[in-house]
Amino acid sequence: DTGVSQDPRHKITKRGQNVTFRCDPISEHNRLYWYRQTLGQGPEFLTYFQNEAQLEKSRLLSDRFSAERPKGSFSTLEIQRTEQGDSAMYLCASSNTGQGGNTIYFGEGSWLTVV
Amino acid sequence: DQQVKQNSPSLSVQEGRISILNCDYTNSMFDYFLWYKKYPAEGPTFLISISSIKDKNEDGRFTVFLNKSAKHLSLHIVPSQPGDSAVYFCAASSPEPSGGSNYKLTFGKGTLLTVNP
Repeated sequence: DTGVSQDPRHKITKRGQNVTFRCDPISEHNRLYWYRQTLGQGPEFLTYFQNEAQLEKSRLLSDRFSAERPKGSFSTLEIQRTEQGDSAMYLCASSNTGQGGNTIYFGEGSWLTVV
Repeated sequence: DQQVKQNSPSLSVQEGRISILNCDYTNSMFDYFLWYKKYPAEGPTFLISISSIKDKNEDGRFTVFLNKSAKHLSLHIVPSQPGDSAVYFCAASSPEPSGGSNYKLTFGKGTLLTVNP
């Protein structure tokens, strides 16, 4: 399978703990995105990278959140000192600016539950 | 301020009939529109897209119509099948500062489609 891969798929953590999610994009894609989805809402943009450069961050991304894409391939999203409001599905997506239309493809998501 | 609106939380149709899912947007800068399908506990799956320079795009059973003057788009599924039962998200993007398109999608809240056998 050469789609967007996310790990772990599910994570339950205690409030105050740190969690890290990993995303492996489609191999030839130079752009990588993080979105968050809560129940009853559509996905909300968090941040995106072009190669290793983080080009934009949403206001939703508080200073407890940090994302990296050190070699322009996989990316990690770390949440420090988790809060119950962080419970959501974290979606990674990728695209290739070289293609016409630049379709964005999503992974299966990482569910976070903060208890 | 919700820039992409899907006003119908749910839609139920009979197998074989047409499903029409609607989406309205407010940001006139949006120039690319996409529909995604999502099953529970999975990520969104891309279905079909349309550029603002077109008013129709067709792919198999799926057709998307865009009415720019009304800031409205719709997804038609013909014929509907039980496997089409899922949440459908409308998404839109505006040109990025460097001049490219289709980055940073803004999503609606989704419409749950149920196709009854």
